Amino acid sequence: ETGVTQTPRHLVMGMTNKKSLKCEQHLGHNAMYWYKQSAKKPLELMFVYNFKEQTENNSVPSRFSPECPNSSHLFLHLHTLQPEDSALYLCASSQVEKETQYFGPGTRLLVL
Amino acid sequence: EDQVTQSPEALRLQEGESSSLNCSYTVSGLRGLFWYRQDPGKGPEFLFTLYSAGEEKEKERLKATLTKKESFLHITAPKPEDSATYLCAVHALNYGGATNKLIFGTGTLLAVQP
Repeated sequence: ETGVTQTPRHLVMGMTNKKSLKCEQHLGHNAMYWYKQSAKKPLELMFVYNFKEQTENNSVPSRFSPECPNSSHLFLHLHTLQPEDSALYLCASSQVEKETQYFGPGTRLLVL
Repeated sequence: EDQVTQSPEALRLQEGESSSLNCSYTVSGLRGLFWYRQDPGKGPEFLFTLYSAGEEKEKERLKATLTKKESFLHITAPKPEDSATYLCAVHALNYGGATNKLIFGTGTLLAVQP
């Protein structure tokens, strides 16, 4: 595997379900990010992890819970989501000291 | 408030018809401006980073330029495979919190017809 990978690529869940999104980067980076992309809206930064430590929580509801066990892996745990949470969730990585971020293919989430 | 605005929202070109996409920005202090390409159902693919006014970068049929207020992505003699959404993002000096944050525009959807 190369670059940034995300699983699953597609996810359908009910509002009472609990699921997790996984991201893995193979670029040797030390910063990882979660973004939400909705139609007609700019990419919305959710969380930033630098050297496994969370350095940004952009007022994200607590039904989204991130986890970064090491610099190569990032998870987004989902529970009791709302239909308006349906979107493309993108993971990215970079070197902390360099701004260029590299994105994974995303997880298309549908909440019913 | 820091802001990034892209125009037009959508652009349809004939193959070989050159044009430009615009990214206007208002930030307290620019550290870098980024262009990405995004194909349907995929994540954004990095194209260019520009750091200072007057800087230009080129890649195949694409050329990005930067002024103190805006950036242009010039597409010369486009081909159908250039069809995608082009995203602009800025990295500014004083966001607070994490320093490695990007602010994105809504993108320009480019369609190149054969």
